[in-house]
Amino acid sequence: DTGVSQDPRHKITKRGQNVTFRCDPISEHNRLYWYRQTLGQGPEFLTYFQNEAQLEKSRLLSDRFSAERPKGSFSTLEIQRTEQGDSAMYLCASSLALGEKGFFGQGTRLTVV
Amino acid sequence: AQTVTQSQPEMSVQEAETVTLSCTYDTSESDYYLFWYKQPPSRQMILVIRQEAYKQQNATENRFSVNFQKAAKSFSLKISDSQLGDAAMYFCAYRRNTGNQFYFGTGTSLTVIP
Repeated sequence: DTGVSQDPRHKITKRGQNVTFRCDPISEHNRLYWYRQTLGQGPEFLTYFQNEAQLEKSRLLSDRFSAERPKGSFSTLEIQRTEQGDSAMYLCASSLALGEKGFFGQGTRLTVV
Repeated sequence: AQTVTQSQPEMSVQEAETVTLSCTYDTSESDYYLFWYKQPPSRQMILVIRQEAYKQQNATENRFSVNFQKAAKSFSLKISDSQLGDAAMYFCAYRRNTGNQFYFGTGTSLTVIP
């Protein structure tokens, strides 16, 4: 499978715990995006990487959220001290160039109980 | 700020018929891209069709076509000969030519009736 893959697909965690998600983009894509999607809404932009550099962050990305892409390949999104409001689908996408279509992964569904 | 509006939360269509999904957007940019993405239940989002704003010709992709009205900031999706597999959530999205992020609408849930 040469598409965007995300792990895990589902995560249930207790409030206050830390969680980390992983995204493996399409191998030749240097642009990587994280989005959050809540029920009944379209995806909302969280952050963007070009290679290993995090170039843009949404105001939605509070101090409890951190994303990395250390070698310009896979990326991780960590949420510290999770809250119930963090429950959502976290989507990763990658693309080759500006303006090009984004290829999305299947997402990680987070449930905070 | 860029906003994308999909005013139809739900639509239904009979199998083999044609349906049009609406999308409007707000931008002060002149050069941008518009997309329709399909998200089947519990499956990943996939691109249906893409339109460059500088192109006057409407994009088509097999049974999918768009009606792009730049002055009206309207970008509707027409699905012809609807199939059961077309049932999904459809998202309209906008992206500036020099921008990094997609702006998505709230989606339209399409049901295809056999």
